[in-house]
Amino acid sequence: DGGITQSPKYLFRKEGQNVTLSCEQNLNHDAMYWYRQDPGQGLRLIYYSQIVNDFQKGDIAEGYSVSREKKESFPLTVTSAQKNPTAFYLCASSSTGGTGELFFGEGSRLTVL
Amino acid sequence: GENVEQHPSTLSVQEGDSAVIKCTYSDSASNYFPWYKQELGKRPQLIIDIRSNVGEKKDQRIAVTLNKTAKHFSLHITETQPEDSAVYFCAATYSSNTGKLIFGQGTTLQVKP
Repeated sequence: DGGITQSPKYLFRKEGQNVTLSCEQNLNHDAMYWYRQDPGQGLRLIYYSQIVNDFQKGDIAEGYSVSREKKESFPLTVTSAQKNPTAFYLCASSSTGGTGELFFGEGSRLTVL
Repeated sequence: GENVEQHPSTLSVQEGDSAVIKCTYSDSASNYFPWYKQELGKRPQLIIDIRSNVGEKKDQRIAVTLNKTAKHFSLHITETQPEDSAVYFCAATYSSNTGKLIFGQGTTLQVKP
């Protein structure tokens, strides 16, 4: 069953802790993306990667980090430096980068207690 | 800078009426403009897209128009149905890096039976 899988679906963390969100795709897509979704603010780009071992900052990269060691995987770490980490995080992939359809995962909801 | 503005933020229509959502972009060299629909609790999904060499594209009850001179594009939904109720996002790819897709703030469409 092809697709893009995010885990965990729900995550709680204490202030000061780092947390890593997983994103795996078996669509053989080169490009992968992380977006943050907050009410009334749309989807804001955190990081994106167009090829293995390369990634670029999006508009709100501060307090986040990523890696792209494998084509299938693009994990996002929310660090303690992120001032307002409570949000819904969406991962996506595309075969054509930004000029074609993005396939989204189901999202991960992070709550900082 | 790179920006996509979307209006209105909320839209309520009667079943059977038409709905129009408008977006403006800042980079005159942007060349790809998709629209995504996100139903409550679900992932965003592509519903229609348009490229800069085309002025209009239609798919059954939905259509997208592009005005490159004015740098805006619009989504038109005719004969709206209750299942059209969702959040709609426009997006644009920026020429400086075609891997980067920037989304608008979203429009919550409510279709009243």
